Amino acid sequence: DAMVIQNPRYQVTQFGKPVTLSCSQTLNHNVMYWYQQKSSQAPKLLFHYYDKDFNNEADTPDNFQSRRPNTSFCFLDIRSPGLGDAAMYLCATSRDKTGRNEQFFGPGTRLTVL
Amino acid sequence: AQTVTQSQPEMSVQEAETVTLSCTYDTSESDYYLFWYKQPPSRQMILVIRQEAYKQQNATENRFSVNFQKAAKSFSLKISDSQLGDAAMYFCAYHGGATNKLIFGTGTLLAVQP
Repeated sequence: DAMVIQNPRYQVTQFGKPVTLSCSQTLNHNVMYWYQQKSSQAPKLLFHYYDKDFNNEADTPDNFQSRRPNTSFCFLDIRSPGLGDAAMYLCATSRDKTGRNEQFFGPGTRLTVL
Repeated sequence: AQTVTQSQPEMSVQEAETVTLSCTYDTSESDYYLFWYKQPPSRQMILVIRQEAYKQQNATENRFSVNFQKAAKSFSLKISDSQLGDAAMYFCAYHGGATNKLIFGTGTLLAVQP
């Protein structure tokens, strides 16, 4: 089945130790999104790629970076995780950026910062 | 700026009964899309139903239907014949051309009582 895969599902890191979260998709969608979701809150968009075009949200901290080496993969890098970065990180994809096409979400990576 | 409001942080329904989740939004756009997403505990977010603003007919997907009132900027979700598997967090979301991204409400946690 075509899907959005996130690895790992659970990640534990130490304060200040860089961490990379991975997302892959078999849907061949043009757009890939990264969201941060804290407990009992709505997902918050961090950034997205439309093909190779990177789009950062204005309030995304510089600590968060992303890479998309090819259509299928997208990575979220947190350069120096703080305690406040502990959250669920969701990857999503869509065929284009319009609302005509829904976003498909991965299962998420739960990040713990010690 | 567009906003989405879900005024019911938690709701409860008996199995086989009907429940309605409320959502209102604010926008000056005339063309947009509205969504209800379901996020079960520890599982990925999935699309429940979508409504195009230019369509007057309310969307329906099996036991799920919406009451879309464009003038009132209201978009409620009705779940009929509730099942235990319907227990989840439900997010209302807006997608318009001005920002070309999903704007989520704060969510409603639905419990289904056997």
